[in-house]
Parts: sequence; structure tokens; C-alpha cells
Amino acid sequence: SQQGEEDPQALSIQEGENATMNCSYKTSINNLQWYRQNSGRGLVHLILIRSNEREKHSGRLRVTLDTSKKSSSLLITASRAADTASYFCATDVVSGGGADGLTFGKGTHLIIQP
Amino acid sequence: DGGITQSPKYLFRKEGQNVTLSCEQNLNHDAMYWYRQDPGQGLRLIYYSQIVNDFQKGDIAEGYSVSREKKESFPLTVTSAQKNPTAFYLCASSTQDGPGYGYTFGSGTRLTVV
Repeated sequence: SQQGEEDPQALSIQEGENATMNCSYKTSINNLQWYRQNSGRGLVHLILIRSNEREKHSGRLRVTLDTSKKSSSLLITASRAADTASYFCATDVVSGGGADGLTFGKGTHLIIQP
Repeated sequence: DGGITQSPKYLFRKEGQNVTLSCEQNLNHDAMYWYRQDPGQGLRLIYYSQIVNDFQKGDIAEGYSVSREKKESFPLTVTSAQKNPTAFYLCASSTQDGPGYGYTFGSGTRLTVV
């Protein structure tokens, strides 16, 4: 089963509006990361938030993490047409140690209407 | 420029054939990963390697094989035992230094069985 689940599966908004995507996960994590994927391309790392952090900003991106609820949100402010893409959350799960692979959700497909 | 190169971009395989997907990185990263992505789905981990000459199975390793003879290279072979190989394959790498860093992804190889 998926460790991370994004919500909603798809989101369509007008250019200039804010877009919010949520991610829920099941087990304890070291960190949670958000990635963007344009159609048919590889993923691009956007932001990483560690388990002891609650909020992080990067440009127009704002990520929050609530470990008690096992959830995270990604906010994109003042959206642009170029933000149209799929967004994935990925969790680095607490395990025996070592980089044993991030676990990805199914993604939120974001469409920015001009 | 540093990055990950996957080749080929498109690959067609006949039933019963083995095919090898190339992944090369010049980022001096220790860890490398192979993920599979099906339409509308998230990424699922096939194999990963934290160090040269060592690799571990991910969640869906059956029908796949890898090698890690050089730090820069992590080829993936899709064998005839993989019953449903048509998918988008993504290679990624990460550094082991520090408390957690994002992955760098290649641009992917789209494999189609004909």
C-alpha cells in the first residue's frame, strides 16, 4: 500500500490563485519531500521538511508538516501557467538506517487555467 | 553541468526479450535508485544501491536485475520474466552526506512491449 496519499487527485484553478495540496502518510518519517513532474519528464525536487520542522518556505512554496496527524500540505501562492504539473509527496521512512528509498504517493495533478 | 542521464528516451521490446536501461550520473552521489511509474500512478521502487558492488531489492524487484560496478552507473535490465514491463522508468541519485537531501532524477525511459 502507498505510504503517502495526496489529496486532491486533481485540482484546476485560475492563474493568480493559490493552490493547496495535501499529503497523508502512515508511518514515522525522517523527512517529507515534495516533487514536481511535468508531463513525460523526470521529477524535480521542490522542498524537504524534516520531522522536527513544522513549516518551511521556498519562494512561492510553503510546506507544513504535522507529525501528530501524519500529514503535510504544499501551498503554491500566486499560481502561474508554468505551475501546471503533477505534484508528489515522498517520505523518508524511519527504518534501520541508510538511504533505502523514498516512498511516493500517487500525486496531485494541478492545472492552472490562464 | 552535473546531472543524471538516462538512455534511451524510448525503448521498444518484443515479448521474451531482455532489455537494459542506462543510468549515468556525474554528481558523485553514492546512492542510486530505479523507480517504475505507471499512468496516473506514483513511483514504485524497483532496486536501490547505496554503494558500489552492493544493491538491494525494492518493492517490485521481480523480473528486474541491476548491477553497480561503478559509482557513476546503475543499469537496469528488464528481463523476460517481467510480465508487464510497459511503463515509464525513472533513475535517481542522492548523497549520503547530511541528515537528508532530495533526489536528483533523470528524464526517464519509456519502455513499450510490442
